[in-house]
Order: sequence, then structure tokens, then C-alpha cells
Amino acid sequence: SQTIHQWPATLVQPVGSPLSLECTVEGTSNPNLYWYRQAAGRGLQLLFYSVGIGQISSEVPQNLSASRPQDRQFILSSKKLLLSDSGFYLCAWSAVRASEAFFGQGTRLTVV
Amino acid sequence: GQQVMQIPQYQHVQEGEDFTTYCNSSTTLSNIQWYKQRPGGHPVFLIQLVKSGEVKKQKRLTFQFGEAKKNSSLHITATQTTDVGTYFCAGPGANNLFFGTGTRLTVIP
Repeated sequence: SQTIHQWPATLVQPVGSPLSLECTVEGTSNPNLYWYRQAAGRGLQLLFYSVGIGQISSEVPQNLSASRPQDRQFILSSKKLLLSDSGFYLCAWSAVRASEAFFGQGTRLTVV
Repeated sequence: GQQVMQIPQYQHVQEGEDFTTYCNSSTTLSNIQWYKQRPGGHPVFLIQLVKSGEVKKQKRLTFQFGEAKKNSSLHITATQTTDVGTYFCAGPGANNLFFGTGTRLTVIP
């Protein structure tokens, strides 16, 4: 069966520090991968999606970036965090483009 | 750009009362999906509707896809405390899913 792992679960980082969140999927090949951000009590904002290794599409211009170095690995990064980067970051995968999505447990990031 | 709006944003109901959330898209959708996110948790897929006018049921939950495939609804009959959470609809874009704004349901025991 397929599983998705996302870590860490919680993270407190100072303003200006770098960020690296990792997400891996097991049990499937060539998944579509997504990074979403959810502000407290708000909806899901799509940040990045990837249909294959090295293929990243950005939905929202910001100081975040994403990379897909391996088929089932998706990384969200920032060189310098801003206060406004605080939120709940969710990684997700789907077998087919825009089909049923399976989410990781999420990372709750607080930038202080 | 594609937008998926949901109403209401919040809903407080007494346990046993019914609940409905509505989803409206600015464009025609090939399908619509519904997700539930428990407080502190991550979204979990509930169902997908594909056909115009389709109605699907999961126990006390009834999902409907509009005839024009631009709107959808989720109705919960006789809510229970286990129904608390935020319900999202989602529509497919070219390569990804666009989530609605969500409806947060609170059930008062």
C-alpha cells in the first residue's frame, strides 16, 4: 500500500533562517506531488506541484522553492524565512493529475 | 484563474441537527472531490463525483454534483460530535487540485 511521510511535524524557526521540509512517498511510482500551505483557520493554498523528477510548477511567487531530486521525494525550501511563512504545510500525492489526493501529516511551522 | 468558493465559512449546529455546505466553481469541472480535515489533522479524501447531477451517499453523508457541473453540496443528516472538522471541496485544474475555502463545522453536544 502507498504511504506518504512528511517531517518534521512541528518546527519553530527564527526569521531569516533557512527551511527544508521533506516529503517521501512509498508504494507507488511517478506520483504527482504537491505542496500546500494552510494559514490558521484558513483554506489550502497550492504552492508547488510536480509531475516528474526535476519538474516543478509554482502557483504562488514567494520566497519558497521546491525540488524533486528523486521520483518519490519532494522538498520545500527557503533561504530566508519571513514571519508570513508561518503556517501548516502539507505535502500530498496523487496517482493521476488532479485525482484523489493523499496528504501527509503536515508540518506546523512557526517563524519567530 | 480558477476559483472554488464554499459557503458557509463556519457552521455551528446542535448535535442531531442537519448540516449542509455548498461549493461553487467559476468554471465547469470534470469532477469534484470532497475532503474532511479534523482539527489539528490533515485533509482526508471522502468521495469524488464525476457525472452531471450525480448523488452519492456515505451513511449520513449525501454528496451532490450539479447539473451544470459547477456546483456541489455535502449534506450531513443528524450530525454527531465525530463530524466536527473542516469540509473542503476540490476541483481539478490542468495539473493540480484547487481546494475550496472550506466550511468549519462545530457540533454542540
